[in-house]
Amino acid sequence: QVQLVQSGAEVKKPGASVKVSCKTSGYDFTSYDVNWVRQATGQGLEWMGWMNPHSGNTGYAQKFQGRVTMTRNTSITTAYMELSSLRSEDTAVYYCARVSAMTGDAFDIWGQGTMVTVSS
Amino acid sequence: EIVLTQSPATLSLSPGERATLSCRASQSVSTYLAWYQQKPGQAPRLLIYEVSNRATGIPARFSGSGSGTDFTLTISSLEPEDFAVYYCQQRSNWPLPTFGGGTKVDIK
Repeated sequence: QVQLVQSGAEVKKPGASVKVSCKTSGYDFTSYDVNWVRQATGQGLEWMGWMNPHSGNTGYAQKFQGRVTMTRNTSITTAYMELSSLRSEDTAVYYCARVSAMTGDAFDIWGQGTMVTVSS
Repeated sequence: EIVLTQSPATLSLSPGERATLSCRASQSVSTYLAWYQQKPGQAPRLLIYEVSNRATGIPARFSGSGSGTDFTLTISSLEPEDFAVYYCQQRSNWPLPTFGGGTKVDIK
């Protein structure tokens, strides 16, 4: 079945970078955009950006421009999100999500989430 | 940026009751409106896409309606597993999708 499986929890110090992976399976990886969404504890959902796995093209929310990089490795059908210059406010659960034209470009499949804690 | 405002913030109901959740957009989002359900410790799950289409495996008690700037998610008769947080999301101005702040449906 279609799955997105993310890497495990991370603890980072302020100023460091974190790279979260999203291993996909059960579908053609290059045919669906992968987006990243984060959620601070007790808060709502915040969209970070998108990546087209076929072309490698990306687009980022203005808030994260210059700090986030989304990449992929098509040979292992895995997407990555790297966030740099971490600060305490970046402590959150980070989700990857597939976008499907068959569901009006809604996020139809989600990863299980990766907790990133930024603390000195 | 299109802002989505959900109301109420919390809805306290009993199993078997009808739930009506609202999502209002700061400008028209056409039909590009989706709803998600999120339970504690879980990722969001797609319920409704393009205003009124149920995603695969979603029970018929969930329905969506609306147009332009005003949208509604209705749960016709609450089951115990429906108590959760619900988010609306627009993708009208792709690639800048936005989410509403969420409505928590809890047990009265």
